[in-house]
Parts: sequence; C-alpha cells; structure tokens
Amino acid sequence: TQLLEQSPQFLSIQEGENLTVYCNSSSVFSSLQWYRQEPGEGPVLLVTVVTGGEVKKLKRLTFQFGDARKDSSLHITAAQPGDTGLYLCAGGSGAQKLVFGQGTRLTINP
Amino acid sequence: DTEVTQTPKHLVMGMTNKKSLKCEQHMGHRAMYWYKQKAKKPPELMFVYSYEKLSINESVPSRFSPECPNSSLLNLHLHALQPEDSALYLCASSQDLEVNFYGYTFGSGTRLTVV
Repeated sequence: TQLLEQSPQFLSIQEGENLTVYCNSSSVFSSLQWYRQEPGEGPVLLVTVVTGGEVKKLKRLTFQFGDARKDSSLHITAAQPGDTGLYLCAGGSGAQKLVFGQGTRLTINP
Repeated sequence: DTEVTQTPKHLVMGMTNKKSLKCEQHMGHRAMYWYKQKAKKPPELMFVYSYEKLSINESVPSRFSPECPNSSLLNLHLHALQPEDSALYLCASSQDLEVNFYGYTFGSGTRLTVV
C-alpha cells in the first residue's frame, strides 16, 4: 500500500513569514500533485510535478519533486491570510486514482 | 465551463429516507469520481467511472449506489444511511483515467447530515 505522509499536520504562523510543507513516501510516484482546500469547498489543484528534481513556481508558492520521486515540498514565501487552508499532496502511480496525504492545515494570522 | 457543479450543497436526511446527490460537468472529461471526506481528514475514494462505466468500487456499502446516466452527469443514490455516513461528499472529474498527469477538478461538495 502506497502512503504519503505530510508534515507538519498543523501550522499557524504570522503574515509575512515563510513556511515549508513536506510530503514524503517510501514509494516512487509517477507524479505528485498539490491541492488547497478552503472550508466548505472542494480541493483545488495547484500544481502537478512529474519529473524528479522538478521545481515549479506559482507566484509566492514553490513546489519541488524529489530526485527519486518519493517526496515533494511546498514552500510559501511571505505568507498572506489568503493562503489559509488545508494543503493536500496526492501521488499518482498509474492506478486510475490518486493517493492523498493526511493534509497540512495552515493558518496565517494577520 | 471549467466547473464541476454539485447539488444540493447541504442535505439533512433521516435513516429511512432515500435521496440522491447530483454532479455535472461540461468540460468533456471522461472520468468521474465520488469521494467522501470526514472532518479534518483527506478525501477517501468511493467510486470511479470511466466512459460512463463503473471502473472502481472501493468496497463501498450497498446503501450507496452510483449512477452515470451520461458523460456529463454522475449521481449518488442514498438509502438507509447511518449517522456515521455524515460527511462532505465530493464529486470530481478528470480528462481521463490518466489522473496522474491531469489531476482532479473537484466540485464544492454536498454536506450530508444523517439524523
């Protein structure tokens, strides 16, 4: 069974600070996706990374896929209250479905 | 249209009721999914439809019955549910089963409460 472990599970920081969220597995994935979910809404896809070592940037968010395609990180620079939400990583392995991590609940305080 | 639309947004039902959740997308996606999400947990896969045929059933109890009338619609029929079935039910679609690369487009969900 493929598992994805996210850390930390909870993170509360002040506006303007930087943060990194990690997504780790002992299994190799063909892709890693990051989603953000706000209360009462469905998750929204932020990015898909498919190549080991790949780095993608989305404004203040930087996503990295590990060289061995077993882990990924999400770095947010100068966090804003609008970044508050549940961040989910999800791994794809060609099995018609994604494996979700347990999520990181991020709160940015003004 | 880049949305997945779910109705109703909220539903309260008794344990003897029969109700249906509806999901619609007009993006031409050929794979559609039902997920269940409990509070503070990640989504759990229930069913996968590919080209209107049931592809995966994650050992879901028969009180949940999915239906895919056409490529744009996905229903989830509910009957004799238990209070522990209360959750956010999410519909998602993907361009096809290569979800590794295309990812999911999720709807906003139906918040179901069973009393």
